[in-house]
Amino acid sequence: AQSVAQPEDQVNVAEGNPLTVKCTYSVSGNPYLFWYVQYPNRGLQFLLKYITGDNLVKGSYGFEAEFNKSQTSFHLKKPSALVSDSALYFCAVRVPYGGATNKLIFGTGTLLAVQP
Amino acid sequence: DSGVTQTPKHLITATGQRVTLRCSPRSGDLSVYWYQQSLDQGLQFLIQYYNGEERAKGNILERFSAQQFPDLHSELNLSSLELGDSALYFCASSALAGGPGNEQFFGPGTRLTVL
Repeated sequence: AQSVAQPEDQVNVAEGNPLTVKCTYSVSGNPYLFWYVQYPNRGLQFLLKYITGDNLVKGSYGFEAEFNKSQTSFHLKKPSALVSDSALYFCAVRVPYGGATNKLIFGTGTLLAVQP
Repeated sequence: DSGVTQTPKHLITATGQRVTLRCSPRSGDLSVYWYQQSLDQGLQFLIQYYNGEERAKGNILERFSAQQFPDLHSELNLSSLELGDSALYFCASSALAGGPGNEQFFGPGTRLTVL
């Protein structure tokens, strides 16, 4: 069965430092991977996706993610964290149904706290 | 603003009652998804509709049902409510039903509290 794991419930980082939020996946076939962010009392916002091609994917707000097939990982990164990046981050994998559906399986979420 | 709207924002009701949550997808999107977010279950896929027809089903209880109308808005009906149904319910939409990279855009959610 397809699954996504986010091993860290919370990541703490000082403003200006690089940040990494970890995600590993388990899927059969080619993975389609996504990162979403959820700010307090808001819906999820799409950050970036990996479908195919370059393993380094660039997304919104200066975030990027690195796809590593051998390690089945898709870690989210940012070179310099901002206090405003503090939010809940979700990794997700699209369940392949032969193209018939785009339902997503989400990880448990990682709370990113950026200290000033 | 994602362009997906959900009403109401908050809903407080009692056990045993029935409620309806409403979602309007982004303009032009044909597919609607419903997700439930709770502290113990996390973010779980419930059901997907595409152009009025059910396309995929997830962990949706038999007490829950959904439909998508000809104008593409969708409703999620929750009946015989239990305390454990208290959660944030999200609607999302995408242009198509499937295909790679067809990202979903989420609404702000409806917070359901069952007392």
